[in-house]
Amino acid sequence: NAGVTQTPKFRILKIGQSMTLQCAQDMNHNYMYWYRQDPGMGLKLIYYSVGAGITDKGEVPNGYNVSRSTTEDFPLRLELAAPSQTSVYFCASSYEASSYEQYFGPGTRLTVT
Amino acid sequence: GQNIDQPTEMTATEGAIVQINCTYQTSGFNGLFWYQQHAGEAPTFLSYNVLDGLEEKGRFSSFLSRSKGYSYLLLKELQMKDSASYLCAVRDSNYQLIWGAGTKLIIKP
Repeated sequence: NAGVTQTPKFRILKIGQSMTLQCAQDMNHNYMYWYRQDPGMGLKLIYYSVGAGITDKGEVPNGYNVSRSTTEDFPLRLELAAPSQTSVYFCASSYEASSYEQYFGPGTRLTVT
Repeated sequence: GQNIDQPTEMTATEGAIVQINCTYQTSGFNGLFWYQQHAGEAPTFLSYNVLDGLEEKGRFSSFLSRSKGYSYLLLKELQMKDSASYLCAVRDSNYQLIWGAGTKLIIKP
């Protein structure tokens, strides 16, 4: 099993550009999450999904969109990138909400200049 | 509001014992987690507590007191590879994880 995979690993965007961060898992997990981690701060939940076709906002959803057309994939879309979106983005998955742990992807380091 | 507090940084000596504290105030409680995160890497799961008391797993132990809103992670026989950030997270009433900022642990020879 590859676990949770994310692409790209690094990306530099100019202000106003858009991009999609890819996330996939091969563990047949129902729940998937997108977090951002800023230096010296805890992880903040952006969006999450409880299954294909179902997504919901987390704590910091503004400036982002998600979709979940399959169980495996959960892409995160950034529209009109802003410097405040400079961060490390982690995708995670778990079998259910009450699972003991979430499995994390390796992260995408995004810089917006 | 929801808040999780843990020390920003701690230093310990190889072979020693260190205790990392975490206090929390959240809307509901459905378990407390500790994750380890090496620099530039993803968090990895260490431990889970939902009932009061101590959970032991090898060199690592985690303690929870729900009435005090308090947990600690105890690391014994410290090794250089234990140098990392340790993240405390609480699962709230919506089953979402609320994360502390993490404690950077520096191990000295």
